[in-house]
Amino acid sequence: AQTVTQSQPEMSVQEAETVTLSCTYDTSESDYYLFWYKQPPSRQMILVIRQEAYKQQNATENRFSVNFQKAAKSFSLKISDSQLGDAAMYFCAYRSKYSGGGADGLTFGKGTHLIIQP
Amino acid sequence: DTGVSQNPRHKITKRGQNVTFRCDPISEHNRLYWYRQTLGQGPEFLTYFQNEAQLEKSRLLSDRFSAERPKGSFSTLEIQRTEQGDSAMYLCASSVRTGLEQYFGPGTRLTVT
Repeated sequence: AQTVTQSQPEMSVQEAETVTLSCTYDTSESDYYLFWYKQPPSRQMILVIRQEAYKQQNATENRFSVNFQKAAKSFSLKISDSQLGDAAMYFCAYRSKYSGGGADGLTFGKGTHLIIQP
Repeated sequence: DTGVSQNPRHKITKRGQNVTFRCDPISEHNRLYWYRQTLGQGPEFLTYFQNEAQLEKSRLLSDRFSAERPKGSFSTLEIQRTEQGDSAMYLCASSVRTGLEQYFGPGTRLTVT
């Protein structure tokens, strides 16, 4: 079974600065997908960014980028020019490429609470 | 596109009672997922449907839990004989067939007293 670990329960950053959230995962599969989801307080979870394991190029979405290190099984999220609206819980998630055995569901880490200091 | 909706948003029930939650996915999405999120944890996968067929069930889904999606549109999740350990946020998500991008609803928060 796959596991996802987020070792930072909480991170704090000054507005306009850059912050990196860490995520490691464990899998025996060679092809899979990784995601970062954002869950603002009392609001629904939204997808921030997605990475496909067979793609070596790191995904980027505006101020959000990832550092995907497949051999190290590491998938960190970098947020540049932090804004107050970035304050939220951030979850790293894994999804197998294959179907069956619960593989179609996402496996989430415990989350990192990101605080933005004005 | 009105997004994924869930009802009720909050439910308080006494231990031993049955509860039912409803999820309405995005209309063109044929995959629907249920997750459970307890305090301080990430969501945990419970089950998913492709159209009306329930294709996967996590071992977390005990016999007291049942989910249906009768016409391939909305879904219900029923918990029978609720226990205090069932207190959690129940999240629904939907996606197109590939399932790579799941859109989440706001969740139903269940409190069992």
